[in-house]
Amino acid sequence: GQNIDQPTEMTATEGAIVQINCTYQTSGFNGLFWYQQHAGEAPTFLSYNVLDGLEEKGRFSSFLSRSKGYSYLLLKELQMKDSASYLCAVRANAGNMLTFGGGTRLMVKP
Amino acid sequence: DVKVTQSSRYLVKRTGEKVFLECVQDMDHENMFWYRQDPGLGLRLIYFSYDVKMKEKGDIPEGYSVSREKKERFSLILESASTNQTSMYLCASSSTIEQYFGPGTRLTVT
Repeated sequence: GQNIDQPTEMTATEGAIVQINCTYQTSGFNGLFWYQQHAGEAPTFLSYNVLDGLEEKGRFSSFLSRSKGYSYLLLKELQMKDSASYLCAVRANAGNMLTFGGGTRLMVKP
Repeated sequence: DVKVTQSSRYLVKRTGEKVFLECVQDMDHENMFWYRQDPGLGLRLIYFSYDVKMKEKGDIPEGYSVSREKKERFSLILESASTNQTSMYLCASSSTIEQYFGPGTRLTVT
């Protein structure tokens, strides 16, 4: 089975940096995904890590350590529109199935 | 542009009714998925399909069935709706890496 943990809620200030952590335990590993979901909308893909290290994409970066079963999503220069839930998901070896964590609801305040 | 559509945004059904949720993708993807999303529990996989007429159970298949007669269409069926199936239902499709989600159907069973 798989177990994925991430904080339930976080609050940060506009213009600041926030790091959302995700820890996982899986029987196999074939990639870690981050999705963004605004209230009432569909999740949208943010990033994918399969090798250790940092992947940077504009204001968003994602880090993976496979040996520690750990990832984080880093959001820089926070904007009000970044207020959303951030979902961590792991793909095991078999096929394209993803297992999602419970999601982290981020509130950005002025 | 990538598109996954779901037949209804909101649906209200009575206990015991048979319910059909339809999902269509226009990206010629092999893989399609049905999830339900509940507060505090995150996204949980109900069923997925990796080809026409092929299906695999996810984490919570009880009380559900699926049908995939054409590559672009994946249907979720609630054989006899119950109140504990009140939830947000999300469909997704993928080719190799990321999953693309539909807008979701909020189903209420009374």
